[in-house]
Amino acid sequence: DVKVTQSSRYLVKRTGEKVFLECVQDMDHENMFWYRQDPGLGLRLIYFSYDVKMKEKGDIPEGYSVSREKKERFSLILESASTNQTSMYLCASSRASGSNNEQFFGPGTRLTVL
Amino acid sequence: AQKVTQAQTEISVVEKEDVTLDCVYETRDTTYYLFWYKQPPSGELVFLIRRNSFDEQNEISGRYSWNFQKSTSSFNFTITASQVVDSAVYFCALRDYTGNQFYFGTGTSLTVIP
Repeated sequence: DVKVTQSSRYLVKRTGEKVFLECVQDMDHENMFWYRQDPGLGLRLIYFSYDVKMKEKGDIPEGYSVSREKKERFSLILESASTNQTSMYLCASSRASGSNNEQFFGPGTRLTVL
Repeated sequence: AQKVTQAQTEISVVEKEDVTLDCVYETRDTTYYLFWYKQPPSGELVFLIRRNSFDEQNEISGRYSWNFQKSTSSFNFTITASQVVDSAVYFCALRDYTGNQFYFGTGTSLTVIP
C-alpha cells in the first residue's frame, strides 16, 4: 500500500519557536509538495520540490522554508512560528511532469501556534 | 494561467437525493489532467478520479459519475442516491502535461442529512 506519512497529526507550538514538519513517501516519487489548508481558502501551495535539493516557491512561501536532502523526505520549516501560521498542513507527492499520475496525500498535521 | 473554480462552497442534501458538484477550469495547455479528491472529516485527501484532456468519455463508478466537457471547460461530479458517508469536502484539481504543479479549487463542502 503506497503511503505518504507525516511526522505528527497534531502539534502545538509557541510564537517564535522553530517548527519542523516532516513528510516521507515510499513511492519513489520525484515531486513533493507542501500545502496549507484554511477554511474557505482551499489548498494553498507553500513550496514544492521536483528533485533532491531542488525547490520552487508556491503561492505563499513567506515565513516558510523547505529541505529535501533525500528523495523520499521533504521537510517544511517554520523559522519563527507566528499565530497566523496556525493551520492544517498537508504533504503530497507525485510523479514528474509528463505523467498523468495523481498526487498522493499524507494525513495532515494540524498545527496550533499559541 | 491555470485556474480551477468550484463556485459551490457548501451544499446540503437529504439522503438518497442526487447531487452535482461543479468544477470549471482554465488552462492554455492542450494536454492536461483533471482530478477529483474527497476529504472526509478525518482530513486525508482521497483520490477519486483522473481524466485526460483527450478523453471526453464520461465515467461511472457505482454511485459516482463524472461529466467532462471541454467545450465548457467543466468537469462535474454527480453522486446518485447520496449517503451520509458521502459527507465531505470535495476538491477538483488540474495539472498540465508539462508542469509539476497541481491547481486546486477551493472545495465544495457536502453535507448529506439523514
